[in-house]
Amino acid sequence: SQQGEEDPQALSIQEGENATMNCSYKTSINNLQWYRQNSGRGLVHLILIRSNEREKHSGRLRVTLDTSKKSSSLLITASRAADTASYFCATDETGANSKLTFGKGITLSVRP
Amino acid sequence: GAVVSQHPSRVICKSGTSVKIECRSLDFQATTMFWYRQFPKQSLMLMATSNEGSKATYEQGVEKDKFLINHASLTLSTLTVTSAHPEDSSFYICSAMRGDQETQYFGPGTRLLVL
Repeated sequence: SQQGEEDPQALSIQEGENATMNCSYKTSINNLQWYRQNSGRGLVHLILIRSNEREKHSGRLRVTLDTSKKSSSLLITASRAADTASYFCATDETGANSKLTFGKGITLSVRP
Repeated sequence: GAVVSQHPSRVICKSGTSVKIECRSLDFQATTMFWYRQFPKQSLMLMATSNEGSKATYEQGVEKDKFLINHASLTLSTLTVTSAHPEDSSFYICSAMRGDQETQYFGPGTRLLVL
């Protein structure tokens, strides 16, 4: 079964708006990672947040992690049309030897 | 740094033939490589974990005799889909990890179509 479950499944916003995507998981983790995938392409690593971290920033990206609620959020500020892609959260579960379990993904559409 | 390539990017083959997909880490040594499968509009499903010089570890439900994985060097892993059938048509993606890091770097994927 999927460890990570993102919501919403699809998000459509106007360029310049912020996009917030959420991910929930079920087990104990070492870290949680967010990836981006453009249609028919490979995955691009966006950001990794460890289980002892609560928030991380990278450019226009902000990720939070709440281990008590087993949830994470990815915020993209000042979105651009080029941000249109699918976004996946992936968890590195404790004791899983660095295997990642991916969520179903969120399709983000940014309208110009 | 941390570039992973895959070859071929796209392959069409006849049912019953075997197809080999290569995954290379171009600028780092990958102690571990992973192979994933992705169906249209779905998530990535881990097929197997490959460590250099040892046998691959397959996920439950993945046939090791059908999906042969070889990790012969620290920069190359191959996935061979043997006796491919139309239901094997999918997007296959590899990733590679350095031994001292937590991040997996993904290749661009290989789209396999079995006729």
